Amino acid sequence: GAVVSQHPSWVICKSGTSVKIECRSLDFQATTMFWYRQFPKQSLMLMATSNEGSKATYEQGVEKDKFLINHASLTLSTLTVTSAHPEDSSFYICSARESPPSGSSYEQYFGPGTRLTVT
Amino acid sequence: GNSVTQMEGPVTLSEEAFLTINCTYTATGYPSLFWYVQYPGEGLQLLLKATKADDKGSNKGFEATYRKETTSFHLEKGSVQVSDSAVYFCAPYSTLTFGKGTMLLVSP
Repeated sequence: GAVVSQHPSWVICKSGTSVKIECRSLDFQATTMFWYRQFPKQSLMLMATSNEGSKATYEQGVEKDKFLINHASLTLSTLTVTSAHPEDSSFYICSARESPPSGSSYEQYFGPGTRLTVT
Repeated sequence: GNSVTQMEGPVTLSEEAFLTINCTYTATGYPSLFWYVQYPGEGLQLLLKATKADDKGSNKGFEATYRKETTSFHLEKGSVQVSDSAVYFCAPYSTLTFGKGTMLLVSP
């Protein structure tokens, strides 16, 4: 099946610094990528949807100036957490959807996640 | 609005027990339905899917049938294993909304 990678898998940073997380589709082209945030023992919260070559669409309550998303190519999207604070510590997961969608299933392929800890 | 409702966890079972995790949804139209599994410390993996009413998705001994009349997509497995311990998420495509997830704990 299609593979999505994330880098880094975990990162520890100091409060006030910025952290960039990469999401790559390894063997398919993804017009659309999604960024989720997951708190311990909770569901995934969709943060934003990014389409290649255009601005990301953020969900209500997500600060677009804090969580910068760039989808510059069909295989790469990045999430930058700017001026990180301890409350930004979380598990961030990306997913990608093939383009054009294969069949009618519109399946998303998920990355393995990135554990961010802000000290 | 669109939503997904899953049964509360954790679900604790002994090995070889029968598993059912309920999932009901509300969505516009008749979307494809998915079950994803998340093992500890990992991202989500697609477990199975169904693209239209009455379809049955199956994988690794798990099954789920797309019931349009009850808007349900319950996950079942006849005999669970310790390695099935994970969090299971139900998701209709059209909403990109995930249920809260149901943690399954299987003991030897």
